[in-house]
Parts: sequence; structure tokens; C-alpha cells
Amino acid sequence: EVQLVESGGGLVQPGGSLRLSCVASGFSFSSYWMQWVRQAPGKGLVWVSRISPDGSGTTHADSVKGRFTISRDNAKNTLFLQMSSLGVEDTAVYYCGRGIVVGSAVPGYWGQGILVTVSP
Amino acid sequence: QTVVTQEPSFSVSPGGTVTLTCGLSSGSVSTTCYPSWFQQTPGQAPRTLIYNTNTRSSGVPDRFSGSILGNKAALTITGAQATDESDYYCMLHVGSGIWVFGGGTKLTVL
Repeated sequence: EVQLVESGGGLVQPGGSLRLSCVASGFSFSSYWMQWVRQAPGKGLVWVSRISPDGSGTTHADSVKGRFTISRDNAKNTLFLQMSSLGVEDTAVYYCGRGIVVGSAVPGYWGQGILVTVSP
Repeated sequence: QTVVTQEPSFSVSPGGTVTLTCGLSSGSVSTTCYPSWFQQTPGQAPRTLIYNTNTRSSGVPDRFSGSILGNKAALTITGAQATDESDYYCMLHVGSGIWVFGGGTKLTVL
């Protein structure tokens, strides 16, 4: 069974940093594209970042480019999102996602989400 | 900045058919945008319904179908059920490895 479990969320002050983790199990982690998607309270889904199976290729949304970095450790089946220069607009539930099939960057399996709150 | 457009809300009668659309603020949606569709109920993680325009995700009933209609991507639900009452989001690849979600459609079944 595919499982994705996020951690590392919480309350952080504006300008601060946070690193999210997503531990994967139940599949060959190193074979799949992985993504981060976020959702502010009461708002819609927003695509944040994606990373290739071997970690060599990454893309970020303009809204987070230069502040967020997606990475992965295939030996530990773990996806990361390093977030810095956080603003109140980054407050959201962050979901990690696995490519729906090998070779696809469309998220097909989702974690339960982790809340990040940016507040003074 | 690329904006992906969706109807904010839609209503369908039980047993009825509804088509939700997904467009681009500038330009047409084609299969090269790899349209995908997601269903989400409050407090839950999204569920992937359709990817690559019209491929159903595992376990998704065949009353959900995806297509290109004119210059937009479309999600059609036939034989709508009360359990289909959810928020529906489309996502498009807009180039250079960037993906964008639409603002979502709140579907009411009544």
C-alpha cells in the first residue's frame, strides 16, 4: 500500500524557515516523480514544486522560487521541502504527492497534509 | 502569469450529467497541457480522478470522464450521485515543468 506521511509543520514567525519531510513507503520511491502542493485555509489547491526520480530535475512555482527548495533522499525514501523567508501568505496545508504512474509528474497518491502557520 | 479558469460553482440533479471545464486565460487547452482532474471534500486530501486528459485513475468509476471540448479541458460526470458533491480542481502543465491548478469548482448535487 502506498503511504506518504508528512511531518515538520508548525508555527513559524514571518521571515523564518522550516523544513517539511515526507516519508514514503509501499512503492519504489526512486522510480517516481514527487510533488508538493499547498492549500491555504478555505482556498484552492496550489502547485508548489516537483522533483525528478533521481533528484536531478526540480521546478518551483514562481510564488516560491528562490525561497523554497525541493529535494529528496532516495536511500531514505524521503522527500523534503526547505522553506525560507516565510510570509503569512505561505500559511497552508502542505501535501506531498507521488506521480500517478512512473514517468508522470501528476500527483496520484497524496499524503494527509501538514499545516504550516506563519504568524507573528 | 498564467491563470487556469474553472467555473466557481455548478449544480446538478441526482442522476443527471454535468460537464465542468478548465481553460487558460490566454490560449487554448490541448492534450499537451496534460489536463488532470482532482476531487476534494472538506478536510480531506485530494483524490486524483483523471490524468493525461482522459485516463482514469485506479478505482475511479467510469461515470467520470475527461476530454477536450473546444479550447478547454472538460470533466463530465454522468449519473451524478450525492457522494459526488465535492470541490473539483483541474491542473495543467503550462510549460517549462510548471503546473498550475485552476481555482476549483464547487459541485452541488440537489
